[in-house]
Amino acid sequence: SAVISQKPSRDICQRGTSLTIQCQVDSQVTMMFWYRQQPGQSLTLIATANQGSEATYESGFVIDKFPISRPNLTFSTLTVSNMSPEDSSIYLCSGGTGVGGYTFGSGTRLTVV
Amino acid sequence: AQSVTQPDIHITVSEGASLELRCNYSYGATPYLFWYVQSPGQGLQLLLKYFSGDTLVQGIKGFEAEFKRSQSSFNLRKPSVHWSDAAEYFCAVGAGGGADGLTFGKGTHLIIQP
Repeated sequence: SAVISQKPSRDICQRGTSLTIQCQVDSQVTMMFWYRQQPGQSLTLIATANQGSEATYESGFVIDKFPISRPNLTFSTLTVSNMSPEDSSIYLCSGGTGVGGYTFGSGTRLTVV
Repeated sequence: AQSVTQPDIHITVSEGASLELRCNYSYGATPYLFWYVQSPGQGLQLLLKYFSGDTLVQGIKGFEAEFKRSQSSFNLRKPSVHWSDAAEYFCAVGAGGGADGLTFGKGTHLIIQP
């Protein structure tokens, strides 16, 4: 299975600013995803990161708030824009290929103050 | 739309005792089912997955799960738990093998008593 490195592991940010989270996979993967885990909650899919094209967003998530890039098959970024305290969450990237178990990064714990 | 229900928010088990975590899913076609474990401050680790074939699936760390289509269930079991099994456990369902992303249950928090 692919190994995913995610950074930063945690950050404390001022409201109104933006944070970019990076996700690096140790091998080429077909699919990459971004999830949000709010405090004490389960994971919610934000979007599918598509290589070379615009990401596909789930209901309730928009590109202006969560722009995503995926320039190649091993790397993706998620930006949390114009942050508010409600954005305080753990953000996780996930990747995999075909029909298989998808591995996850260790997450970015974001606190907005 | 697919959904996953984990009816137990918390479960407490004595070390050495057997464990069963419940998971029920709703999905219109053949489901692709997963169990993940999340230790405090960590990401998710895949325990096992089911796509087709044998309905009893073996995973890592001594876990197994049984797919029961008639009950729309995919319960996770372990015959004897260890203190290191204390964690959050998530059941998930994915369309297309997960190629459209996964839908997670709310999780079950497992507490191990000495």
